[in-house]
Amino acid sequence: GESVGLHLPTLSVQEGDNSIINCAYSNSASDYFIWYKQESGKGPQFIIDIRSNMDKRQGQRVTVLLNKTVKHLSLQIAATQPGDSAVYFCAENPIQGGSEKLVFGKGTKLTVNP
Amino acid sequence: ETGVTQTPRHLVMGMTNKKSLKCEQHLGHNAMYWYKQSAKKPLELMFVYSLEERVENNSVPSRFSPECPNSSHLFLHLHTLQPEDSALYLCASSHRPGPYEQYFGPGTRLTVT
Repeated sequence: GESVGLHLPTLSVQEGDNSIINCAYSNSASDYFIWYKQESGKGPQFIIDIRSNMDKRQGQRVTVLLNKTVKHLSLQIAATQPGDSAVYFCAENPIQGGSEKLVFGKGTKLTVNP
Repeated sequence: ETGVTQTPRHLVMGMTNKKSLKCEQHLGHNAMYWYKQSAKKPLELMFVYSLEERVENNSVPSRFSPECPNSSHLFLHLHTLQPEDSALYLCASSHRPGPYEQYFGPGTRLTVT
């Protein structure tokens, strides 16, 4: 079965607020995790990734947190903007040792209200 | 052209037709992928090519036939498809050995009538 899933299918926030998108995974051997953003009519766009030897990684306005104890991944977007409205996917690499395979979750649709 | 490009962007075909999807990456990557994206379902990995060699085939029906002539080009040959094959077909590329981030093209929206 699918090893990566999302707690909520939709999330609505006000412009300027912080957004938190959550993801649960079931494979404790997964060593690489990644977040993608997909806007309507476009392919997924890489946002940020994290390896299992880290618990936090920051990018521009985004932070990914990894809690291996409870197998939970989250994406935090600071000062959310209308352009952040999209579907966000998490994915994991469930096989160690150089595999390129990514298993994707179903996605969370983020809507930013002006 | 930059990044990952896919042609055509939209395709309508009958169940008896034969068509091909094309993907090209301009990133110097050595691994390429085909994914299927259906409504309300996660992205499904179909094929993985590394250095022009197929390294993964995720139990995809034989009516889908991939081809990777070089590290920059990837094709998906389609024949005798079914209506349930209608979906967005996404191509991606990455460095290998991974895992590393995969860069996606815009996809081909396929409708099988």
